[in-house]
Amino acid sequence: GAVVSQHPSRVICKSGTSVKIECRSLDFQATTMFWYRQFPKQSLMLMATSNEGSKATYEQGVEKDKFLINHASLTLSTLTVTSAHPEDSSFYICSAPPLGAGNTIYFGEGSWLTVV
Amino acid sequence: GESVGLHLPTLSVQEGDNSIINCAYSNSASDYFIWYKQESGKGPQFIIDIRSNMDKRQGQRVTVLLNKTVKHLSLQIAATQPGDSAVYFCAENRGGSYIPTFGRGTSLIVHP
Repeated sequence: GAVVSQHPSRVICKSGTSVKIECRSLDFQATTMFWYRQFPKQSLMLMATSNEGSKATYEQGVEKDKFLINHASLTLSTLTVTSAHPEDSSFYICSAPPLGAGNTIYFGEGSWLTVV
Repeated sequence: GESVGLHLPTLSVQEGDNSIINCAYSNSASDYFIWYKQESGKGPQFIIDIRSNMDKRQGQRVTVLLNKTVKHLSLQIAATQPGDSAVYFCAENRGGSYIPTFGRGTSLIVHP
């Protein structure tokens, strides 16, 4: 089946620094990718939709200047957490619908971010 | 809005029993529903889906039931195994959208 890969799977960064998380579709193309955030023992919350070749669409309450999203190609989207704070520590998950696949969506394995 | 910020309910069963996980959804315009399994530290894994023009769909050891009248979705797992232990989320695609909105989730614990 289709694979969505995230990198890094785990990252620790210092407060005030920025960290980039990559989401790649390995065997299909996707014009949109979705970024979710998940706190321990809670559900997945949609943060934003990245759009290839245009600006990302952010959900209400998500700071676009803090969570920079770039969809550079049909197989790569990146999420950059800028000026990270300990409260940004979370599990970040991306997902992507293959072109022409209807409602089918594949999820990445997630990236654990710990800000110290 | 989405059901976030709530701790997960837990369902404990014995190996070999049948499990039923329930989910209430809020948007009557939702037309597509998915059940996902999430193991600790991993991304969600697709289990089974159902469209709003159906009320039942069966897969291998799993069955999804949809009751649109009361906006209720359930996942039935037959002969539950320890490997089924995980958190199960229902998700809905609200009318016209292909972005799944996740429900609260249920932690399933299977005792050998």
